[in-house]
Amino acid sequence: KAGVTQTPRYLIKTRGQQVTLSCSPISGHRSVSWYQQTPGQGLQFLFEYFSETQRNKGNFPGRFSGRQFSNSRSEMNVSTLELGDSALYLCASSLESGLDYEQYFGPGTRLTVT
Amino acid sequence: SQQGEEDPQALSIQEGENATMNCSYKTSINNLQWYRQNSGRGLVHLILIRSNEREKHSGRLRVTLDTSKKSSSLLITASRAADTASYFCATDANYGQNFVFGPGTRLSVLP
Repeated sequence: KAGVTQTPRYLIKTRGQQVTLSCSPISGHRSVSWYQQTPGQGLQFLFEYFSETQRNKGNFPGRFSGRQFSNSRSEMNVSTLELGDSALYLCASSLESGLDYEQYFGPGTRLTVT
Repeated sequence: SQQGEEDPQALSIQEGENATMNCSYKTSINNLQWYRQNSGRGLVHLILIRSNEREKHSGRLRVTLDTSKKSSSLLITASRAADTASYFCATDANYGQNFVFGPGTRLSVLP
């Protein structure tokens, strides 16, 4: 079974631009969560989507948004990029929503904002 | 502040030795999970332990949970160079809404 895939793997953007990251979960997984990882803040939860609905949202500004499609693939968008948005963005999928299920992580998208 | 806090922040051992990492958390949990991350890559799930369990094993891994002390430990026995990675605990705090990850322990296993 193929793992979680994320595209692109690396991205360089300029402050003020916007960016869209993509995540394809493991086949059959219906929940997709997004995390931001930085050296200073560690791993922080962005949001979770389940059956095309945002189930939970972390403490991030409205510039961060996401969506999930009917095939469970998910995208996250960051508008008006700031230097502090430079991070590794990780997507994780799980069979169902809920914290009893292990999460399977993708390799991440490394975003650099200049 | 972080719900889970791993200790130590960094650990360096020789191949063949055992490595112990600890995780402390603040609020009550239903379960706790341990993950491993190789440098700059995605996380890999290691073990899930529920609040009514005290110990779980998986291969060379042993996880304990002490809910009275709000702490968990991960023991890796007979470590290998390939175990070099960062290890994170994740708890289902935040009122069960989402996982909260600790800052991680960076383990280096020297050949």
